Amino acid sequence: DVQLVESGGGLVQPGGSLRLSCVASGFTVSSYYMNWVRQAPGKGLEWVSVIYSGGSLDYADSVKGRFTISRDNSKNTLYLQMNGLRPEDTAVYFCARGKRESEYWGQGTLVTVSS
Amino acid sequence: EIVMTQSPATLSVSPGERATLSCRASQSISSNLAWYQQKSGQAPRLLIYGASTRATGIPARFSGSGSGTEFTLTISSLQSEDFAVYYCQQYNNWPRTFGQGTKVEIK
Repeated sequence: DVQLVESGGGLVQPGGSLRLSCVASGFTVSSYYMNWVRQAPGKGLEWVSVIYSGGSLDYADSVKGRFTISRDNSKNTLYLQMNGLRPEDTAVYFCARGKRESEYWGQGTLVTVSS
Repeated sequence: EIVMTQSPATLSVSPGERATLSCRASQSISSNLAWYQQKSGQAPRLLIYGASTRATGIPARFSGSGSGTEFTLTISSLQSEDFAVYYCQQYNNWPRTFGQGTKVEIK
């Protein structure tokens, strides 16, 4: 069965850093497009970043230059390195598989940016 | 960036009734549209992709239609487990964008 499990969220001060992880099972991360999608409290879904199966990267303008997506094929794990965090980055962060629609999602990890 | 606009923001429906949700794209996205259901505290669940194809395990009471810029999700007879928030998402262009959601609540 396909499973995605995020971790690494927590409380961080503005300007701080955090690295999120998404461990995949039941498939090979490097064979798929993998995304990060976030949801601020009480708000809608916002696509954040993608890593293509071929390794290319893309980001939403709101995080470009601050966030970095990557993967470790040996650990079958997706990452999101978040630097220069701002209060508006507070959200549940989901990893999701898919180039087009996303059938598989993790349960999410909460990131809170506050002093 | 393609802007996705959903209407209405909230839809009050009685169990057993039909619900019709709309999604409009700011430019043509062909049939590159998905619908998701999200319940409180849960991840989104894929319902429909390709504008009209049900995802694995999705009941037949869920149907999608449309192409270009206008799309519709119809729930033919609402069950108690269908009260949730529904999002449309385009995957015609990067960045992928979502609508702001339609909350389907019990009338």
